[in-house]
Amino acid sequence: DAGVTQSPTHLIKTRGQHVTLRCSPISGHKSVSWYQQVLGQGPQFIFQYYEKEERGRGNFPDRFSARQFPNYSSELNVNALLLGDSALYLCASSLRIAGSSGANVLTFGAGSRLTVL
Amino acid sequence: QQPVQSPQAVILREGEDAVINCSSSKALYSVHWYRQKHGEAPVFLMILLKGGEQKGHDKISASFNEKKQQSSLYLTASQLSYSGTYFCGTEASGAGSYQLTFGKGTKLSVIP
Repeated sequence: DAGVTQSPTHLIKTRGQHVTLRCSPISGHKSVSWYQQVLGQGPQFIFQYYEKEERGRGNFPDRFSARQFPNYSSELNVNALLLGDSALYLCASSLRIAGSSGANVLTFGAGSRLTVL
Repeated sequence: QQPVQSPQAVILREGEDAVINCSSSKALYSVHWYRQKHGEAPVFLMILLKGGEQKGHDKISASFNEKKQQSSLYLTASQLSYSGTYFCGTEASGAGSYQLTFGKGTKLSVIP
């Protein structure tokens, strides 16, 4: 079975531009989460979607938005890019939603590395 | 709040043991451990749910002290393949906690 797939793998943008990152979860997984990982740091939570609804949002500005489609794939959009948005953006899928009973194991994709110049 | 990991970095020779600690100021529902190699995605190692249970996978095991909100990852008889950065991710107790909060990571280097 395919794991979590993300596209594009690498991209370079300039300040002020917009970017869309895409994620396809593991088949059967209904929850998708987005994390930002700056070099040398741990992943930082951006969004979680479950059954196409936003279930959690991290401490990120409104320039960041996301959505989940009926096939459970997801997009992360970032508007008005800043230099500080340069990072590895990780998508993770899981069977369960965090906070529910039982283990919520995240499987991460390889990420989309965004460089903002 | 971000869990605190210690040490920040450790260098081991093959066959040596290591312990990585993760401490949180919040009441936790679960602690997750991941390993990330350079340029790759984090890979799940194990999850510990509240209840103080200990889990193991091959020569890697972990414990979770619910009262202290602390978890430790134990790597025994380390192998070269254990090299990477280890992250703990914590899931807070209570309704509405829909995220994992990761520590800054512990960089483990295993040398021959």
